[in-house]
Amino acid sequence: GAGVSQSPRYKVTKRGQDVALRCDPISGHVSLYWYRQALGQGPEFLTYFNYEAQQDKSGLPNDRFSAERPEGSISTLTIQRTEQRDSAMYRCASSLGEVGAEAFFGQGTRLTVV
Amino acid sequence: DAKTTQPTSMDCAEGRAANLPCNHSTISGNEYVYWYRQIHSQGPQYIIHGLKNNETNEMASLIITEDRKSSTLILPHATLRDTAVYYCIVAEKGGYQKVTFGTGTKLQVIP
Repeated sequence: GAGVSQSPRYKVTKRGQDVALRCDPISGHVSLYWYRQALGQGPEFLTYFNYEAQQDKSGLPNDRFSAERPEGSISTLTIQRTEQRDSAMYRCASSLGEVGAEAFFGQGTRLTVV
Repeated sequence: DAKTTQPTSMDCAEGRAANLPCNHSTISGNEYVYWYRQIHSQGPQYIIHGLKNNETNEMASLIITEDRKSSTLILPHATLRDTAVYYCIVAEKGGYQKVTFGTGTKLQVIP
């Protein structure tokens, strides 16, 4: 596709359920980033990948959050045993990596935990 | 913590130049200044970046002070569609990991 695609766009889940958020980066982009954005705030870094390798996961809030990118393309952010405080916009971005300058962001997944 | 400081909000008359300041006094030698904007609930959109020289593209101009401790994003002829939150961030080239976007500047273009 022409841009970064995220699915679903909206997800409502009950507290305690697991959710999986998908990101399909721009073809050929080496780096993939996950961010979380609360209302009125800028994106907050969660984790990033170069190819299939998770380079940094220091932004993940706790061990209920995990991410993978097994083939170096599509990535999944999984939140286990969701809590209401997990409600936010989750954004994915991709870039060419260190040789590139700009990151392209997807439209995000709005997660609501009820 | 964000490594940049921006005013919370600014107004600009339509058709006039919008000058958005950013302080980044702790910027290191290998870090670039990037500007992004976010319109309503869309994903952030790249505008421009620079290291130490002034830069211009079809969207905006970026003026970086000689000591690199601050910069100004200039939208030469603001339109209503430029109403957005503008984020100034510093990062190594391509290194968006651990970037904190902060709260940005809410630019309101007024008719």
